Amino acid sequence: EPEVTQTPSHQVTQMGQEVILRCVPISNHLYFYWYRQILGQKVEFLVSFYNNEISEKSEIFDDQFSVERPDGSNFTLKIRSTKLEDSAMYFCASTREGELFFGEGSRLTVL
Amino acid sequence: GENVEQHPSTLSVQEGDSAVIKCTYSDSASNYFPWYKQELGKRPQLIIDIRSNVGEKKDQRIAVTLNKTAKHFSLHITETQPEDSAVYFCAKNSGGSNYKLTFGKGTLLTVNP
Repeated sequence: EPEVTQTPSHQVTQMGQEVILRCVPISNHLYFYWYRQILGQKVEFLVSFYNNEISEKSEIFDDQFSVERPDGSNFTLKIRSTKLEDSAMYFCASTREGELFFGEGSRLTVL
Repeated sequence: GENVEQHPSTLSVQEGDSAVIKCTYSDSASNYFPWYKQELGKRPQLIIDIRSNVGEKKDQRIAVTLNKTAKHFSLHITETQPEDSAVYFCAKNSGGSNYKLTFGKGTLLTVNP
């Protein structure tokens, strides 16, 4: 069964460093998302991406964040200068027309 | 209009009992309401969903009901088992073509053997 894959599974970084989280959505899906989940809290929407551009972003998705689809398969989330409060699990998700499929997540720890 | 209120935040039941989790929303445009189960350290996994053109959907021990007029939907788990223990999230879309989901805060369900 096809699934969304994410790398790395866990990344530890120093405050102020740049981080890139990578995702490979399911191949015939058209809509791509990044969500964030701080430990013990709910899943929060960050950004949606369709037709090679951002279709919607939340207040969390400020100028420190960017997304890119550099080729036909990868979908990346970049955090330019990480802060302590960026520590969370980041989930990539994709859909063709409704049901969202989540990746296993990338745990980011900012020290 | 984006928020989803979910109750209760924790629920403890005995094995074999039923569990009910409820969510309310305010956005009239929402027409897709999924429920996700998340085990500790794992990804959210879709367990059941319902669209606004039906009032109830059932899949074995799991059922979801939707009252679009009152803007609330509920998850019902019957004959609970210890492996049902997890965090359950309700969610809703925004009604447009984005398919973006907004999640509730989650319910920690504990099924005691």
